[in-house]
Amino acid sequence: GAGVSQSPSNKVTEKGKDVELRCDPISGHTALYWYRQSLGQGLEFLIYFQGNSAPDKSGLPSDRFSAERTGGSVSTLTIQRTQQEDSAVYLCASSLTGRDYGYTFGSGTRLTVV
Amino acid sequence: GESVGLHLPTLSVQEGDNSIINCAYSNSASDYFIWYKQESGKGPQFIIDIRSNMDKRQGQRVTVLLNKTVKHLSLQIAATQPGDSAVYFCAENIWMAGNMLTFGGGTRLMVKP
Repeated sequence: GAGVSQSPSNKVTEKGKDVELRCDPISGHTALYWYRQSLGQGLEFLIYFQGNSAPDKSGLPSDRFSAERTGGSVSTLTIQRTQQEDSAVYLCASSLTGRDYGYTFGSGTRLTVV
Repeated sequence: GESVGLHLPTLSVQEGDNSIINCAYSNSASDYFIWYKQESGKGPQFIIDIRSNMDKRQGQRVTVLLNKTVKHLSLQIAATQPGDSAVYFCAENIWMAGNMLTFGGGTRLMVKP
């Protein structure tokens, strides 16, 4: 597609449930990133995929969070046993390989844990 | 002027005035910088970038200034318009980090009509 697509755009879930958030990057973009943004705050790095390399998971806040990227394209961020503090906007971005390329962000998934 | 909002610093300007948004970056090894604009309900969007071999770069109504001596980056918006109201983030890249960007905390720009 023309841009980074994220689904769902909004998700309300009960505390303790698992959720899956999906990201479709721009075709041909080898790098994919997940960020979390709490209300009125900055961007918190979660995880980074680059081609076939092992992902950089250094930003994942707990072992309840995991992500995978299948076929070098679509990525899924999974949060198990959701907690209220997981409520945030989850942003996905993709980029070409090469350090001079900025990210293209999706519009995010707003997750609310009740 | 600048003030601390709920979580993000906020800059309020009158429509038509020039805006200056500042960013102090963290790593003296950073050599590529980007400004992003995030409107309500949307993801951040690329505005302008600059490499460390430059001090200034201009776009349409926007100018980015880089002062490597004090590790300071600024975004100047000329003739600020209501559509410029958004949160602005600076991001830095270090050559050894490959694609990875490190984002600053963001500044909320509010344009008063």
